[in-house]
Amino acid sequence: EIVLTQSPGTLSLSPGERATLSCRASQSVGSNSLAWYQQKPGQAPRLLLFGASTRATGIPDRFSGSGSGTDFTLTLSRLEPEDFAVYYCQQYGSSPRTFGQGTKLEIK
Amino acid sequence: QVQLQESGPGLVKPSETLSLTCAVSGYSINSGYYWGWIRQPPGKGLEWIGSMYHSGSSYYNPSLKSRVTISLDTSKNHFSLRLSSVTAADTAVYYCARDVGTTYFDYWGQGTLVTVSS
Repeated sequence: EIVLTQSPGTLSLSPGERATLSCRASQSVGSNSLAWYQQKPGQAPRLLLFGASTRATGIPDRFSGSGSGTDFTLTLSRLEPEDFAVYYCQQYGSSPRTFGQGTKLEIK
Repeated sequence: QVQLQESGPGLVKPSETLSLTCAVSGYSINSGYYWGWIRQPPGKGLEWIGSMYHSGSSYYNPSLKSRVTISLDTSKNHFSLRLSSVTAADTAVYYCARDVGTTYFDYWGQGTLVTVSS
């Protein structure tokens, strides 16, 4: 199965700053079959992006995704207070589908 | 708007079977999509358990396949998870979700914590 490694484990930034989160796959993820989710404490994950770069319905354009093959990036251009959460990547190019271990984005 | 809500016992004894139900509103599960289960052990990441299509086709994570059954009840618009022979390692928050063609998950329930303990 494909193992997804997210880095950093924790990212400390201030509102208004730019955040860059990484997701690296142990083997190539076919057809850019990668999604990103946001999870806040006590809540279910929320779909942000799929196809590596397509925003889900209602997701603001400050969230963007890029990458291909084994390296993917989630970028938050200007952090808002509500963006501080845990972010997970998930691949669906190969079965079983797998998730990364998460990056916690915390307020500095 | 599509909404999902998990229900079931919060405590299960070791070696017994965990059973959860996910009630879906705002969409008929008979209309399409796969319907799946994902779990999250306390303080850990997410693990896909399995998914089922309204036609009855299903597929499961190989790591759990021998113990998992997912079923759909279209008359009640809900689907269920059964996980047999549970151990403490199965303690987790269990989420149900709409599975977009066995790719990503676009709607999730709020999750329910199941603890395996005697």
